[in-house]
Order: sequence, then C-alpha cells, then structure tokens
Amino acid sequence: DGGITQSPKYLFRKEGQNVTLSCEQNLNHDAMYWYRQDPGQGLRLIYYSQIVNDFQKGDIAEGYSVSREKKESFPLTVTSAQKNPTAFYLCASSMAAGGNQPQHFGDGTRLSIL
Amino acid sequence: EDQVTQSPEALRLQEGESSSLNCSYTVSGLRGLFWYRQDPGKGPEFLFTLYSAGEEKEKERLKATLTKKESFLHITAPKPEDSATYLCAVQRGAQKLVFGQGTRLTINP
Repeated sequence: DGGITQSPKYLFRKEGQNVTLSCEQNLNHDAMYWYRQDPGQGLRLIYYSQIVNDFQKGDIAEGYSVSREKKESFPLTVTSAQKNPTAFYLCASSMAAGGNQPQHFGDGTRLSIL
Repeated sequence: EDQVTQSPEALRLQEGESSSLNCSYTVSGLRGLFWYRQDPGKGPEFLFTLYSAGEEKEKERLKATLTKKESFLHITAPKPEDSATYLCAVQRGAQKLVFGQGTRLTINP
C-alpha cells in the first residue's frame, strides 16, 4: 500500500540534544512538507521541499533543519536551538509542485522533553 | 495576513442530528480550500478540495460547500464513527497551506 511512514511514533529529547524525525513516502510525490501541531492551534509549516536537493523555510523554521537527498525521504532535525520542541510533528506529501493537489499526511511523531 | 477561522471549536450532537461546521477565510488569491478529518493521535485524512465559489462536493454523510468568504461542512444524520476533529485549510502560493484550528465533533449514540 502506498503511503507516508513517520518514525518513531514517540520520541524523547534531552536538554542540548538534537533529534531526527524520519519521513518516508512511496507515493512518488515530488513535494514534501513538515508541520508542527500544538493543542488548540492549527498546523504550522516548518519546512517544505518541492524537488530533490531543494527546500524552503516555512513559517516557523527557527531551530529546525531538513535535507532532501532522495525523492522518498525528508528527515527533520529538531536542534537544541528549538527551545519549545514539545509538539506533534506531521509530515505530508503531494504530487506535482506548484499545483493544487491535496497534501497527504503520515501519522505523526510526538516529541517530548525529558 | 492570510487567516482561517473555524467555528465552533467543539460540537456535540446526538446520532442522526444534522449540523454544519464553518470555515471562514481571508487569503489573497485562493487556489484551493481543503477539508481534512483527524482522529486522535493520527495524521489528517484528506476529504475534499474546493476551488471556486459555488462548488460543492459530497462523500457519504458529508457535503462541503464554498463561497467567496467561507466554507461549510454539512453533516447529515451523523453516526458515532463520524466523531473526529475536522480541519479546514486554504492554499496560498505554491502548495503552502494555512490551517484553521479545527472543530472537534462528538456524536453520541
């Protein structure tokens, strides 16, 4: 079955530690996205990538980094510079870049601070 | 500034009691409005895309409509399995979505 796989489902970060969230898709989609979801707030865009080896900052990129070395993969690193990392992180993908295609989501990673 | 506001924040209905959820938006150059359903601890599941005022889409007990300033998600004769948070999002620019905060719907048997 085609879809988006996020791992791990739960992740704990210690002070001063960088952690990496995995996102893999087998939908052959060009565009991929990372969102953060906090209680009572809408999803907020962290980074997005429309093509391999290219990505752009979203609305809340500070304290995060990404890479897009393969079409299928778009990992997100939460760095120690992100002072409030506790949230539900969602990865999404969509077909052609620049079009009006819906984004499809994985089942998220919940990040907490130890 | 692009903005999406959903109302009510929470809605509790009895099984079979029809109602509507509202999504009001202000965005320059709307390229699409999207409805999603999200179950607890899961990612959003795509429901509908609406592109222009007057457009309507239906799926089982759900019907989405669009005007120039808002969209409605009508739920007819809902069942307990329709309980979820419903998210609305508008597209601005190249596939960048702005999401509302969601409406948490509970259907009591």
